[in-house]
Amino acid sequence: DAKTTQPPSMDCAEGRAANLPCNHSTISGNEYVYWYRQIHSQGPQYIIHGLKNNETNEMASLIITEDRKSSTLILPHATLRDTAVYYCIVDQAGTALIFGKGTTLSVSS
Amino acid sequence: DTAVSQTPKYLVTQMGNDKSIKCEQNLGHDTMYWYKQDSKKFLKIMFSYNNKELIINETVPNRFSPKSPDKAHLNLHINSLELGDSAVYFCASSQQDRGVYGYTFGSGTRLTVV
Repeated sequence: DAKTTQPPSMDCAEGRAANLPCNHSTISGNEYVYWYRQIHSQGPQYIIHGLKNNETNEMASLIITEDRKSSTLILPHATLRDTAVYYCIVDQAGTALIFGKGTTLSVSS
Repeated sequence: DTAVSQTPKYLVTQMGNDKSIKCEQNLGHDTMYWYKQDSKKFLKIMFSYNNKELIINETVPNRFSPKSPDKAHLNLHINSLELGDSAVYFCASSQQDRGVYGYTFGSGTRLTVV
């Protein structure tokens, strides 16, 4: 089963920051937090991952709380093309990625 | 130059038929996967192969048989197709230690059983 909890849906205005929360209170010390997204019926796309420190790449930023029990994915300037289902996944060593229900982000103009 | 390619993209077939879906990756990854996404959009792991060896085999009917001729290919053969097999099947690959990019997914094969 997925070890994460996400809100089922969120809305965001185009050009604004989208902040997607994720709870992973049972995460273990060596487990990474990964974020993927799935646009319409395409294959899931890797966004970012982290262990303890905050991470940033060209797509997004990942903020992980000090106790590692939750994280937030930040899309700094959301566009219509960012409308997708976003999955927060705790990568459990020795297993394949377990996808939960994710958050459906709707970006509108 | 597609990283993970699946064929065919669409597959419509009758109940009882046998069909195969092919997957190839050119990323040099050592692990490949098959996921199933049903009509409710849940993505579920089916199989995982590492260097041609089966390492994950979730509760999947034995009508589904994966085959990995080499570490760049993972094919999925399905016997005696049933209506409930209708879904989108995604192939993915990764390095065993995940690495910077985690998993790379193919664009999916939409299977419709009529």
